[in-house]
Amino acid sequence: GAGVSQTPSNKVTEKGKYVELRCDPISGHTALYWYRQSLGQGPEFLIYFQGTGAADDSGLPNDRFFAVRPEGSVSTLKIQRTERGDSAVYLCASSPGGGTNYGYTFGSGTRLTVV
Amino acid sequence: GDSVTQMEGPVTLSEEAFLTINCTYTATGYPSLFWYVQYPGEGLQLLLKATKADDKGSNKGFEATYRKETTSFHLEKGSVQVSDSAVYFCALSDRGNAGNNRKLIWGLGTSLAVNP
Repeated sequence: GAGVSQTPSNKVTEKGKYVELRCDPISGHTALYWYRQSLGQGPEFLIYFQGTGAADDSGLPNDRFFAVRPEGSVSTLKIQRTERGDSAVYLCASSPGGGTNYGYTFGSGTRLTVV
Repeated sequence: GDSVTQMEGPVTLSEEAFLTINCTYTATGYPSLFWYVQYPGEGLQLLLKATKADDKGSNKGFEATYRKETTSFHLEKGSVQVSDSAVYFCALSDRGNAGNNRKLIWGLGTSLAVNP
């Protein structure tokens, strides 16, 4: 597509439930990043994919968070047993490569609210 | 670890005023530096970048120069417009622990409001 698409744009869920957030990157972009942005903060790195593999998952806060990218394009961020502290905007970005010179294109984000 | 510090907002200016938003960083090695902008209701957009010392990034009348000696990347614009009202984020790239991963480390953002 023309840009990075994230769905849903808004998600409200009850504490303890499971949620999936989807990212559809720009066609052909091999690098895909997930970030999380809490109110009044800058984005916080979660995980980086190069192709199908998670090359760096050092930003995932705990084992309730998991992400996949099985065919090297669409990625899904999965959060188990959601907690109120997981409420944030989850951002996805893609890039033609993993390096800085390629630049990053961000999606509009998914606003997750855990009640 | 690497970090970015940018001036706190909100910043309120009148149209055609001069804008400076300060950004300083701490990093090992030679990061690339970025300014991103987030307009109300929209996603993050790259405004400008600089990949090595003394480089100047520029776009839409905004400029920032990569100053290694002062570890700074201050954003400037000579004459702001109402349409520049947004949140501005300074960021640096970090190689991280996966060879080519240049994940971004971000400042907290500075909100700018420009009044007519």
